[in-house]
Amino acid sequence: DVKVTQSSRYLVKRTGEKVFLECVQDMDHENMFWYRQDPGLGLRLIYFSYDVKMKEKGDIPEGYSVSREKKERFSLILESASTNQTSMYLCASSSMTVKGSHYGYTFGSGTRLTVV
Amino acid sequence: QKEVEQDPGPLSVPEGAIVSLNCTYSNSAFQYFMWYRQYSRKGPELLMYTYSSGNKEDGRFTAQVDKSSKYISLFIRDSQPSDSATYLCAPSRGDTGRRALTFGSGTRLQVQP
Repeated sequence: DVKVTQSSRYLVKRTGEKVFLECVQDMDHENMFWYRQDPGLGLRLIYFSYDVKMKEKGDIPEGYSVSREKKERFSLILESASTNQTSMYLCASSSMTVKGSHYGYTFGSGTRLTVV
Repeated sequence: QKEVEQDPGPLSVPEGAIVSLNCTYSNSAFQYFMWYRQYSRKGPELLMYTYSSGNKEDGRFTAQVDKSSKYISLFIRDSQPSDSATYLCAPSRGDTGRRALTFGSGTRLQVQP
Protein backbone atom coordinates (compact mmCIF):
# COMPACT_ATOMS: atom_id res chain seq x y z
CA ASP A 1 0.00 0.00 0.00
CA VAL A 2 1.04 3.55 -0.65
CA LYS A 3 2.12 5.25 2.47
CA VAL A 4 2.24 8.98 3.00
CA THR A 5 4.03 9.99 6.16
CA GLN A 6 3.84 13.40 7.75
CA SER A 7 6.65 14.11 10.14
CA SER A 8 4.61 15.48 13.03
CA ARG A 9 1.10 14.81 14.32
CA TYR A 10 0.97 17.86 16.55
CA LEU A 11 3.01 21.05 16.49
CA VAL A 12 2.87 24.21 18.56
CA LYS A 13 4.75 27.21 17.21
CA ARG A 14 5.02 30.87 18.10
CA THR A 15 3.87 33.73 15.93
CA GLY A 16 6.61 34.81 13.55
CA GLU A 17 8.46 31.50 13.55
CA LYS A 18 9.42 29.79 10.33
CA VAL A 19 7.70 26.40 10.27
CA PHE A 20 8.53 23.36 8.16
CA LEU A 21 6.02 20.58 7.58
CA GLU A 22 7.47 17.51 5.94
CA CYS A 23 5.74 14.85 3.87
CA VAL A 24 7.24 11.69 2.41
CA GLN A 25 5.59 9.11 0.14
CA ASP A 26 7.02 5.71 -0.74
CA MET A 27 5.29 4.74 -3.99
CA ASP A 28 7.06 6.86 -6.57
CA HIS A 29 4.03 9.09 -7.14
CA GLU A 30 4.50 12.09 -9.37
CA ASN A 31 1.88 14.32 -7.77
CA MET A 32 1.99 15.64 -4.24
CA PHE A 33 -0.37 18.08 -2.56
CA TRP A 34 -0.75 20.18 0.55
CA TYR A 35 -4.21 20.99 1.87
CA ARG A 36 -5.40 22.64 5.02
CA GLN A 37 -8.63 21.62 6.66
CA ASP A 38 -10.72 23.89 8.84
CA PRO A 39 -14.20 23.37 10.32
CA GLY A 40 -16.88 24.61 7.95
CA LEU A 41 -14.36 25.31 5.17
CA GLY A 42 -13.43 21.79 4.16
CA LEU A 43 -10.18 20.96 2.41
CA ARG A 44 -8.47 23.89 0.72
CA LEU A 45 -5.54 23.42 -1.61
CA ILE A 46 -2.41 25.35 -0.71
CA TYR A 47 0.14 24.08 -3.25
CA PHE A 48 0.75 21.04 -5.35
CA SER A 49 3.63 19.61 -7.33
CA TYR A 50 3.57 17.30 -10.33
CA ASP A 51 7.33 16.81 -10.61
CA VAL A 52 10.57 17.44 -8.81
CA LYS A 53 11.26 21.16 -8.47
CA MET A 54 7.85 21.97 -9.99
CA LYS A 55 5.09 23.63 -8.02
CA GLU A 56 1.69 25.13 -8.66
CA LYS A 57 -0.26 27.50 -6.46
CA GLY A 58 -3.53 26.28 -5.13
CA ASP A 59 -6.43 28.31 -3.82
CA ILE A 60 -4.77 29.76 -0.72
CA PRO A 61 -0.97 30.00 -1.25
CA GLU A 62 -0.48 33.29 0.60
CA GLY A 63 1.87 32.95 3.54
CA TYR A 64 3.14 29.55 2.40
CA SER A 65 5.87 28.20 0.17
CA VAL A 66 6.85 24.68 -0.82
CA SER A 67 9.90 22.70 -1.77
CA ARG A 68 10.23 19.52 -3.74
CA GLU A 69 13.89 18.62 -4.19
CA LYS A 70 13.27 14.87 -4.33
CA LYS A 71 10.35 12.99 -5.81
CA GLU A 72 9.32 11.39 -2.54
CA ARG A 73 9.43 14.51 -0.37
CA PHE A 74 7.24 17.59 -0.42
CA SER A 75 7.74 20.26 2.22
CA LEU A 76 5.38 23.03 3.22
CA ILE A 77 6.95 26.15 4.70
CA LEU A 78 5.21 28.80 6.71
CA GLU A 79 7.53 31.76 6.25
CA SER A 80 6.32 33.64 9.32
CA ALA A 81 3.64 31.75 11.22
CA SER A 82 0.51 33.61 12.19
CA THR A 83 -2.42 32.60 14.38
CA ASN A 84 -4.72 32.34 11.36
CA GLN A 85 -2.54 29.51 10.12
CA THR A 86 -3.61 27.34 13.02
CA SER A 87 -5.15 24.38 11.23
CA MET A 88 -4.94 20.72 10.27
CA TYR A 89 -2.49 20.29 7.39
CA LEU A 90 -2.88 17.29 5.12
CA CYS A 91 -0.41 16.00 2.58
CA ALA A 92 -1.50 13.70 -0.26
CA SER A 93 0.03 11.99 -3.27
CA SER A 94 -1.26 10.43 -6.47
CA SER A 95 0.07 8.82 -9.61
CA MET A 96 -0.15 10.49 -12.98
CA THR A 97 1.16 7.67 -15.14
CA VAL A 98 -1.03 4.70 -14.29
CA LYS A 99 -4.36 4.99 -16.10
CA GLY A 100 -7.18 5.10 -13.65
CA SER A 101 -5.06 5.89 -10.65
CA HIS A 102 -4.89 9.63 -11.04
CA TYR A 103 -8.09 10.13 -9.21
CA GLY A 104 -7.02 8.19 -6.11
CA TYR A 105 -5.28 10.34 -3.56
CA THR A 106 -3.51 8.80 -0.61
CA PHE A 107 -3.43 11.11 2.37
CA GLY A 108 -1.13 11.32 5.34
CA SER A 109 -2.55 11.37 8.86
CA GLY A 110 -2.26 15.11 9.09
CA THR A 111 -0.37 17.62 11.20
CA ARG A 112 -2.36 19.69 13.63
CA LEU A 113 -0.53 22.99 13.89
CA THR A 114 -1.28 25.51 16.58
CA VAL A 115 0.29 28.96 16.33
CA VAL A 116 0.29 30.91 19.58
CA GLN B 1 -21.14 29.02 -7.06
CA LYS B 2 -18.79 26.46 -5.54
CA GLU B 3 -17.63 23.71 -7.86
CA VAL B 4 -18.74 21.05 -5.35
CA GLU B 5 -21.45 21.52 -2.73
CA GLN B 6 -22.07 19.20 0.17
CA ASP B 7 -24.33 19.51 3.19
CA PRO B 8 -22.03 19.68 6.24
CA GLY B 9 -24.47 17.98 8.59
CA PRO B 10 -24.04 16.71 11.22
CA LEU B 11 -26.28 13.81 10.40
CA SER B 12 -27.25 11.59 13.32
CA VAL B 13 -28.95 8.24 12.73
CA PRO B 14 -29.65 5.13 14.80
CA GLU B 15 -27.67 1.97 14.19
CA GLY B 16 -29.14 -0.06 11.33
CA ALA B 17 -30.55 2.94 9.48
CA ILE B 18 -30.04 3.59 5.79
CA VAL B 19 -27.94 6.71 5.29
CA SER B 20 -27.97 8.93 2.24
CA LEU B 21 -25.13 11.39 1.70
CA ASN B 22 -25.24 13.78 -1.23
CA CYS B 23 -23.21 16.23 -3.28
CA THR B 24 -23.91 18.47 -6.22
CA TYR B 25 -21.31 19.72 -8.67
CA SER B 26 -21.21 22.29 -11.44
CA ASN B 27 -18.50 21.15 -13.87
CA SER B 28 -19.82 18.85 -16.60
CA ALA B 29 -16.25 17.74 -17.40
CA PHE B 30 -16.15 15.54 -14.30
CA GLN B 31 -16.04 11.84 -15.17
CA TYR B 32 -14.92 10.10 -11.97
CA PHE B 33 -16.70 10.53 -8.68
CA MET B 34 -14.98 9.59 -5.48
CA TRP B 35 -16.03 9.29 -1.88
CA TYR B 36 -13.52 9.65 0.90
CA ARG B 37 -14.09 8.75 4.54
CA GLN B 38 -12.29 10.61 7.28
CA TYR B 39 -12.25 9.45 10.86
CA SER B 40 -11.60 11.96 13.60
CA ARG B 41 -7.96 13.09 13.74
CA LYS B 42 -7.05 11.05 10.66
CA GLY B 43 -6.45 11.80 7.00
CA PRO B 44 -9.19 10.99 4.46
CA GLU B 45 -9.08 7.56 2.83
CA LEU B 46 -10.60 6.61 -0.50
CA LEU B 47 -13.80 4.68 0.15
CA MET B 48 -15.02 4.08 -3.38
CA TYR B 49 -15.40 5.68 -6.76
CA THR B 50 -17.62 5.47 -9.82
CA TYR B 51 -17.02 6.32 -13.43
CA SER B 52 -19.65 8.32 -15.32
CA SER B 53 -23.31 7.76 -14.47
CA GLY B 54 -24.83 4.80 -12.72
CA ASN B 55 -24.44 2.82 -9.53
CA LYS B 56 -21.59 0.97 -7.92
CA GLU B 57 -22.01 -1.29 -4.94
CA ASP B 58 -19.35 -2.38 -2.44
CA GLY B 59 -20.70 -4.28 0.52
CA ARG B 60 -23.00 -2.00 2.50
CA PHE B 61 -22.01 1.03 0.41
CA THR B 62 -23.58 2.14 -2.87
CA ALA B 63 -22.35 5.12 -4.86
CA GLN B 64 -24.72 6.66 -7.37
CA VAL B 65 -24.11 9.33 -9.99
CA ASP B 66 -26.68 11.23 -12.02
CA LYS B 67 -24.71 13.30 -14.49
CA SER B 68 -27.82 14.84 -16.00
CA SER B 69 -28.59 16.57 -12.72
CA LYS B 70 -24.96 16.72 -11.53
CA TYR B 71 -25.88 14.88 -8.36
CA ILE B 72 -23.77 12.34 -6.46
CA SER B 73 -25.00 10.09 -3.67
CA LEU B 74 -23.52 7.62 -1.24
CA PHE B 75 -25.87 5.18 0.48
CA ILE B 76 -24.91 3.19 3.54
CA ARG B 77 -27.12 0.22 4.42
CA ASP B 78 -27.34 -1.22 7.92
CA SER B 79 -25.25 1.63 9.28
CA GLN B 80 -22.87 0.83 12.14
CA PRO B 81 -21.29 3.00 14.84
CA SER B 82 -17.98 2.36 13.07
CA ASP B 83 -19.37 4.29 10.08
CA SER B 84 -19.29 7.46 12.19
CA ALA B 85 -16.97 9.73 10.26
CA THR B 86 -16.90 12.64 7.86
CA TYR B 87 -17.63 11.74 4.25
CA LEU B 88 -16.20 13.88 1.47
CA CYS B 89 -17.13 13.74 -2.18
CA ALA B 90 -14.53 14.54 -4.82
CA PRO B 91 -15.34 14.59 -8.54
CA SER B 92 -12.51 14.44 -11.04
CA ARG B 93 -11.92 14.87 -14.74
CA GLY B 94 -10.00 11.61 -14.55
CA ASP B 95 -7.32 12.67 -16.99
CA THR B 96 -3.64 12.98 -16.24
CA GLY B 97 -3.70 16.73 -16.37
CA ARG B 98 -1.78 18.64 -13.83
CA ARG B 99 -4.60 19.69 -11.63
CA ALA B 100 -5.77 18.91 -8.16
CA LEU B 101 -9.02 17.50 -6.86
CA THR B 102 -11.71 19.75 -5.46
CA PHE B 103 -13.38 18.26 -2.42
CA GLY B 104 -16.79 18.85 -0.97
CA SER B 105 -16.71 20.30 2.52
CA GLY B 106 -17.73 16.94 4.00
CA THR B 107 -20.79 15.61 5.82
CA ARG B 108 -20.26 14.51 9.40
CA LEU B 109 -22.16 11.31 10.17
CA GLN B 110 -22.86 10.00 13.65
CA VAL B 111 -24.38 6.52 13.98
CA GLN B 112 -25.86 6.05 17.43
CA PRO B 113 -25.66 2.53 18.95
